[in-house]
Amino acid sequence: DTAVSQTPKYLVTQMGNDKSIKCEQNLGHDTMYWYKQDSKKFLKIMFSYNNKELIINETVPNRFSPKSPDKAHLNLHINSLELGDSAVYFCASSLLAVHSTDTQYFGPGTRLTVL
Amino acid sequence: KQEVTQIPAALSVPEGENLVLNCSFTDSAIYNLQWFRQDPGKGLTSLLLIQSSQREQTSGRLNASLDKSSGRSTLYIAASQPGDSATYLCAVTFDSNYQLIWGAGTKLIIKP
Repeated sequence: DTAVSQTPKYLVTQMGNDKSIKCEQNLGHDTMYWYKQDSKKFLKIMFSYNNKELIINETVPNRFSPKSPDKAHLNLHINSLELGDSAVYFCASSLLAVHSTDTQYFGPGTRLTVL
Repeated sequence: KQEVTQIPAALSVPEGENLVLNCSFTDSAIYNLQWFRQDPGKGLTSLLLIQSSQREQTSGRLNASLDKSSGRSTLYIAASQPGDSATYLCAVTFDSNYQLIWGAGTKLIIKP
């Protein structure tokens, strides 16, 4: 019954490594998002895809690269991990295109810790 | 099961009125509670964050209160403006799993 799922839930890794976080939604939604929750617990949007097309690309380091193999999946790949990348990353989806008031459904989050 | 509920699902008021949005949660062992605003094309904007030890937070015309014992939070908007029209989401981080649990939101329309 899981609507938006993320794997892994916890990820601990060394600086300099490359890692990926996977996101899948079974809601039939067209749009998916990645958010980063900072140390103050505020969510900031990183990317948004609509039907596998990049719609929003906020100012994030180019070490972060989203990949959408199909509209049900939006994976986040991070190269050369840095200490400052430690955060909780949330995936979300919504039914309609990003330019709508449609509610976004969030995954449980992935807690990334870079040592 | 930890749940966050927001009532009403939608609210329409004339410009200039003061209004209150409600959020309730089922487990009082929370880490913090946040109120977000959702606008089309902009994802989510965090409005106020209340830590577990706090009773309220204020930002401009917004005031959020937290009553853990009753499992309730309110978002008070003073002198509402058409630009306040958006969906307002409440999200709770519970102590047990440190994950955000979201309410379904209240869609607010301020009529000029």
